[in-house]
Amino acid sequence: NAGVTQTPKFQVLKTGQSMTLQCAQDMNHEYMSWYRQDPGMGLRLIHYSVGAGITDQGEVPNGYNVSRSTTEDFPLRLLSAAPSQTSVYFCASSRDGLLNTGELFFGEGSRLTVL
Amino acid sequence: DQQVKQNSPSLSVQEGRISILNCDYTNSMFDYFLWYKKYPAEGPTFLISISSIKDKNEDGRFTVFLNKSAKHLSLHIVPSQPGDSAVYFCAASYGAGNNRLAFGKGNQVVVIP
Repeated sequence: NAGVTQTPKFQVLKTGQSMTLQCAQDMNHEYMSWYRQDPGMGLRLIHYSVGAGITDQGEVPNGYNVSRSTTEDFPLRLLSAAPSQTSVYFCASSRDGLLNTGELFFGEGSRLTVL
Repeated sequence: DQQVKQNSPSLSVQEGRISILNCDYTNSMFDYFLWYKKYPAEGPTFLISISSIKDKNEDGRFTVFLNKSAKHLSLHIVPSQPGDSAVYFCAASYGAGNNRLAFGKGNQVVVIP
């Protein structure tokens, strides 16, 4: 079972470049989300979606865009990368459109370095 | 401002003994509390959860206790096994439809064989 797949696993960008982190899940989950993890900190919610066509902001949305055109995919776009966006990014999904118990299935992460 | 706090960032325990991880929170509106386990270079995996209306939930070797009046929860692992060596995150759900999770900074657990 593929579960939640993130690509790329590693990426180095220069300041000002744009890129998209891809996330796909094959579990027909309604809920998808993006988190970032920085050293010494817990995971922080960037954006989330409760279904195709519906997205909302999380705790740290600035500098990131998302869209949800299909149930399976939830890409995260960095419009103009900044060194402060150097982080490990995790995509996660959940079966329910409304997240009831908080049980998320996470991808393996994408490590992004912005120079 | 961190809503979910995990102090004592690391814990070492002998195999077979009990591991106790603690978590404090500030938001009394949290609805569910969860623990996630994370190995290096992998995503977190769900371990156990507890509803805010309960005070204990048990699943095999893992038990979570919730003390709402103290805004405190703990995870007990008995007996600890070497495969339990990982980082453990405490998390809580909040917001409309519980669509958001707030995570603590994590506790590193090392189980010594």
